[in-house]
Amino acid sequence: AQTVTQSQPEMSVQEAETVTLSCTYDTSESDYYLFWYKQPPSRQMILVIRQEAYKQQNATENRFSVNFQKAAKSFSLKISDSQLGDAAMYFCAYRNTGNQFYFGTGTSLTVIP
Amino acid sequence: NAGVTQTPKFQVLKTGQSMTLQCAQDMNHNSMYWYRQDPGMGLRLIYYSASEGTTDKGEVPNGYNVSRLNKREFSLRLESAAPSQTSVYFCASRYYEQYFGPGTRLTVT
Repeated sequence: AQTVTQSQPEMSVQEAETVTLSCTYDTSESDYYLFWYKQPPSRQMILVIRQEAYKQQNATENRFSVNFQKAAKSFSLKISDSQLGDAAMYFCAYRNTGNQFYFGTGTSLTVIP
Repeated sequence: NAGVTQTPKFQVLKTGQSMTLQCAQDMNHNSMYWYRQDPGMGLRLIYYSASEGTTDKGEVPNGYNVSRLNKREFSLRLESAAPSQTSVYFCASRYYEQYFGPGTRLTVT
């Protein structure tokens, strides 16, 4: 079974600064997808960014980018120019070839004004 | 376009009672999923349905049953609720990227 590990239960960042959230995963598959989801206090799960394992280029969405290291099975999320609205729980997720999703335990991000 | 909807939003049950959580999506997605979210545990897959008429177990299926009523609707049933099933339940659709409902907070006393 696949596992997803987020080793940082809590992180904080000053407004306008950059923060990196870590994620590692365990799999024997070569074809899969990785995701970062944001969950604000409203509880709604929101997709932040998606990475296909077969793509070497790291995904970017505005202020959000990933560092995908396939050999190391690492998938970190970088948030640049942090804003107060970025404060939330962030979940890393893995989707296998059977279209099942596995989520990490989450990192709670605090943005300090 | 309502996306993924879930009912109810909150529910309190007594141990041994049964209930069904409803989920519907209007995006014509084939795949639908049920998760539970517990503090410190992230989201764990209970059941999923790759298409109308099919369902498969996820990581934590014990104590639950599901029905894929049609392409739009995917319900989760607790036949005999237990305190260990106190959780927030999320429905989601689409395998390419997941669209989530707003969640149901269930408390079993």
